[in-house]
Amino acid sequence: GQQVMQIPQYQHVQEGEDFTTYCNSSTTLSNIQWYKQRPGGHPVFLIQLVKSGEVKKQKRLTFQFGEAKKNSSLHITATQTTDVGTYFCAGFGAAGNKLTFGGGTRVLVKP
Amino acid sequence: DGGITQSPKYLFRKEGQNVTLSCEQNLNHDAMYWYRQDPGQGLRLIYYSQIVNDFQKGDIAEGYSVSREKKESFPLTVTSAQKNPTAFYLCASSLRDRGLGGYTFGSGTRLTVV
Repeated sequence: GQQVMQIPQYQHVQEGEDFTTYCNSSTTLSNIQWYKQRPGGHPVFLIQLVKSGEVKKQKRLTFQFGEAKKNSSLHITATQTTDVGTYFCAGFGAAGNKLTFGGGTRVLVKP
Repeated sequence: DGGITQSPKYLFRKEGQNVTLSCEQNLNHDAMYWYRQDPGQGLRLIYYSQIVNDFQKGDIAEGYSVSREKKESFPLTVTSAQKNPTAFYLCASSLRDRGLGGYTFGSGTRLTVV
């Protein structure tokens, strides 16, 4: 079945620095979605990418969908303490009818 | 305001007892899902439903059961056959078309079996 892998599993970032988390699927995706889960909370939808090579920005967050529609990345600039949480990517398979979630990247920010 | 409600927030049960977790949405979404999350782990799909009176097993359906008698409701029963039921359970809903627009999650139920 479809598998979605995320790296790194943990990311320790100094406040103000940039970092990137990566997402790779074993199969081609029709769309990829990103979610953020704050500690003790529930996942919240951030964005969805549909087109090959698509790039979308939300303030300090930049999301990219690979040309082959099998990978994606999330880049955060000038990290803030409010960025703390776990970021999940989730892929919708080309022939599927449900999202498959990656294992998440847990982000810890050092002030 | 539209949203998805899970109750209760915390649930304690004795080993060997069945327990039912509630999930209600007023977003007019056709599709609903149940996920399990263990500490520090990702989300694993238990069951999902694309339409009323129909549902499919996810990746870890053993020991769980669901029903979808109404569009708004998708309760999950954790049976005594589930060997390790202590976990954080998340319900979600979405539009039926490839989840476009994203999944909306409830605030979850933390189940502890003693």
